[in-house]
Amino acid sequence: AQSVSQHNHHVILSEAASLELGCNYSYGGTVNLFWYVQYPGQHLQLLLKYFSGDPLVKGIKGFEAEFIKSKFSFNLRKPSVQWSDTAEYFCAVISYTGGFKTIFGAGTRLFVKA
Amino acid sequence: IAGITQAPTSQILAAGRRMTLRCTQDMRHNAMYWYRQDLGLGLRLIHYSNTAGTTGKGEVPDGYSVSRANTDDFPLTLASAVPSQTSVYFCASSDSHGAGDTQYFGPGTRLTVL
Repeated sequence: AQSVSQHNHHVILSEAASLELGCNYSYGGTVNLFWYVQYPGQHLQLLLKYFSGDPLVKGIKGFEAEFIKSKFSFNLRKPSVQWSDTAEYFCAVISYTGGFKTIFGAGTRLFVKA
Repeated sequence: IAGITQAPTSQILAAGRRMTLRCTQDMRHNAMYWYRQDLGLGLRLIHYSNTAGTTGKGEVPDGYSVSRANTDDFPLTLASAVPSQTSVYFCASSDSHGAGDTQYFGPGTRLTVL
């Protein structure tokens, strides 16, 4: 069955630390990859997405992600986190191969200490 | 700009009762989606609609029904609620049904079935 795995359920960092959140998917067809973020008390919103072209994607607020097809991975990175990055982060895969599928990971809760 | 509104914000419901969760968008998006979010499972797609008048089943459609009579509204109905349907429900929309399209999410409805 198709799945999206986020390796870390909870991450605690100090401000200015570097961040990398892992995301791996198991799906053989053509995929479009997304990272969404949910700040406390707010709606889910898009951080960045990949659907073709340069596998290194830059998003809002200094986030980036790299699509590595051979590893079925789409890890999210930020060189220096801020307290305002405290949120829950979701990796998602959307595909039309074999019918419409949208699969979200379980989420990673990030807490940044000021 | 309201984006996506959902009602009610939260609801406690007795098992066996019928419940309709409302979702309205003002962005004239063609595609709409319903997800449920459960701890440790991320978001799972319940039903979706490519355009007004059409609907499709997602990953976890059993016990739920939807209708799309017009572009703006996409209600989700639980015909006879069960405790396993206790969850947070998110409605989303996208401009089209392309796999690369960004989905915009509503604030969610927290439903408790006793």
